[in-house]
Amino acid sequence: GAVVSQHPSWVICKSGTSVKIECRSLDFQATTMFWYRQFPKQSLMLMATSNEGSKATYEQGVEKDKFLINHASLTLSTLTVTSAHPEDSSFYICSARDQTSDTAETQYFGPGTRLLVL
Amino acid sequence: AQTVTQSQPEMSVQEAETVTLSCTYDTSESNYYLFWYKQPPSRQMILVIRQEAYKQQNATENRFSVNFQKAAKSFSLKISDSQLGDTAMYFCAFMRDSNYQLIWGAGTKLIIKP
Repeated sequence: GAVVSQHPSWVICKSGTSVKIECRSLDFQATTMFWYRQFPKQSLMLMATSNEGSKATYEQGVEKDKFLINHASLTLSTLTVTSAHPEDSSFYICSARDQTSDTAETQYFGPGTRLLVL
Repeated sequence: AQTVTQSQPEMSVQEAETVTLSCTYDTSESNYYLFWYKQPPSRQMILVIRQEAYKQQNATENRFSVNFQKAAKSFSLKISDSQLGDTAMYFCAFMRDSNYQLIWGAGTKLIIKP
């Protein structure tokens, strides 16, 4: 149980285009999902907290208009990187909580998405 | 603000040996959660073990166990009978029970040698 998927796993795009990354909880409902960014050999940096049916909460320094988050259902959250530039190239990871489980505080992670902007 | 410190950037041990990864944290909260996650070369973040601060008993999961010292704000991970598949980055993380956000340590790269 508690499986989280991400799609795509790898994406290469041209500078100026937009890229959408999907995060799905496969066997549970997740009212809260989290989006992280990870630079090489570093820890995870929380970008935003995604809440089903409401606006995402962004961390300080994260541009809301650049990283659009939509959490339209209890099993799907999307991150759209708008007008991507080479500095947006990174590894993006999502996580989700199964709030109905005995370990509702635990976050389960997707496999990540590698984004390369040329 | 809460902080998590992992003082060992890298460790290596022989297969079958026991290894302990250290983690300390700073908080004024009384109730919280602590986690160890591993990130192998595939970069999939995998939960290793979790600990609830109000529980004095140390959590164990098969070959993985923790030494939770609440007063000292220490949360070390012991891996017994280490296996090649344990090679990974290990991250210690802290979570307040109010907002479910994880505060991460910098990670320890663990290499298990055959």
